[in-house]
Amino acid sequence: GEDVEQSLFLSVREGDSSVINCTYTDSSSTYLYWYKQEPGAGLQLLTYIFSNMDMKQDQRLTVLLNKKDKHLSLRIADTQTGDSAIYFCAETAGYSSASKIIFGSGTRLSIRP
Amino acid sequence: GAGVSQTPSNKVTEKGKYVELRCDPISGHTALYWYRQSLGQGPEFLIYFQGTGAADDSGLPNDRFFAVRPEGSVSTLKIQRTERGDSAVYLCASSPTATRDTGELFFGEGSRLTVL
Repeated sequence: GEDVEQSLFLSVREGDSSVINCTYTDSSSTYLYWYKQEPGAGLQLLTYIFSNMDMKQDQRLTVLLNKKDKHLSLRIADTQTGDSAIYFCAETAGYSSASKIIFGSGTRLSIRP
Repeated sequence: GAGVSQTPSNKVTEKGKYVELRCDPISGHTALYWYRQSLGQGPEFLIYFQGTGAADDSGLPNDRFFAVRPEGSVSTLKIQRTERGDSAVYLCASSPTATRDTGELFFGEGSRLTVL
């Protein structure tokens, strides 16, 4: 079955880089995602990567995908206090272009001064 | 409104009661998803619709849970004989296309269900 694993907590100093890691089990996933959930708010898509890519960069965000090891990471450069949130890794379940999306348990990122 | 709307935002009920949670997706979005999120956990998939039909209901935990989307827009999640373990935030999300481009889900703010 599908499963997505993440570490629960990460604490970084303001201005440093944050790296959030994720492992997944479904090798047929077509898309992998990072969602962000801020306190009291709904989940919002932060970025995504298609399964035939190994890297995607979007301003301060870098996504790395290692399909062989089924490992996904999100790097946030120059982490700011506004980046404090829970970050969820997610994968599409299967090859179908319209299929359920499975989420990890989330990594809570906290920023220290 | 422009976003996914869920009502009620909070619902407190007693064990054994029946509950309905409503989701109004973004206009024109054909796909609609229900998830359940318990404290400290990620969203747990329940069911998703393409138009009026349930394309995948494999996440519904048991036959006390049922969802409908009769006209392909608004959806209702129905929970019979509620149990304390059903307490969670129920999230609805919609997506613009059946065959996805990015597959982005647009989430509502959720309905918090508390079963006493």
